[in-house]
Amino acid sequence: GQNIDQPTEMTATEGAIVQINCTYQTSGFNGLFWYQQHAGEAPTFLSYNVLDGLEEKGRFSSFLSRSKGYSYLLLKELQMKDSASYLCAVSDRDYKLSFGAGTTVTVRA
Amino acid sequence: NAGVTQTPKFRVLKTGQSMTLLCAQDMNHEYMYWYRQDPGMGLRLIHYSVGEGTTAKGEVPDGYNVSRLKKQNFLLGLESAAPSQTSVYFCASSTGLADSDEQFFGPGTRLTVL
Repeated sequence: GQNIDQPTEMTATEGAIVQINCTYQTSGFNGLFWYQQHAGEAPTFLSYNVLDGLEEKGRFSSFLSRSKGYSYLLLKELQMKDSASYLCAVSDRDYKLSFGAGTTVTVRA
Repeated sequence: NAGVTQTPKFRVLKTGQSMTLLCAQDMNHEYMYWYRQDPGMGLRLIHYSVGEGTTAKGEVPDGYNVSRLKKQNFLLGLESAAPSQTSVYFCASSTGLADSDEQFFGPGTRLTVL
């Protein structure tokens, strides 16, 4: 099975940087995904990491350390529209995803 | 392309009633999934399918059945609804061709069982 932990809530100011950590213990590993989910909406894909290191995509970056079972999502230059839940998910060898409970990020003006 | 669609969007059932949730995708994806999302617990996989005519159990399959008679459709059935099945249900699909494949999610069905 999979055990995936991430903080429940984070608050930050518009224009600031926030780092959302995710730790996992898995029986199989085929990569780690980050999804964004606005309240009342469907999750949407943000990033995928399977090799150690940092992947940068505009204002969002995601980091993975497989040896430590650790990932983080970095949100830079925060905007009000970034207020959402961020879901960490680990893929096992059968393309199934196991999700963490999600981190709700609130951006304040 | 509509992507992934789900019907209905909302439903209220009484305990013991049955219903079917329909998921449809127009992206020619092989893999389809049903999740439920409950507060504080994240998305949990109920059942999934790796192709037309196939289904498999996920993490929380009890009380649910599924069918994938056509590649584009994945049905989730509740034979005898219970209050514990009150949840938001999401369907998703992916190509299944690569590890990096993202899953595309439908808008969700909010189900309340009284």
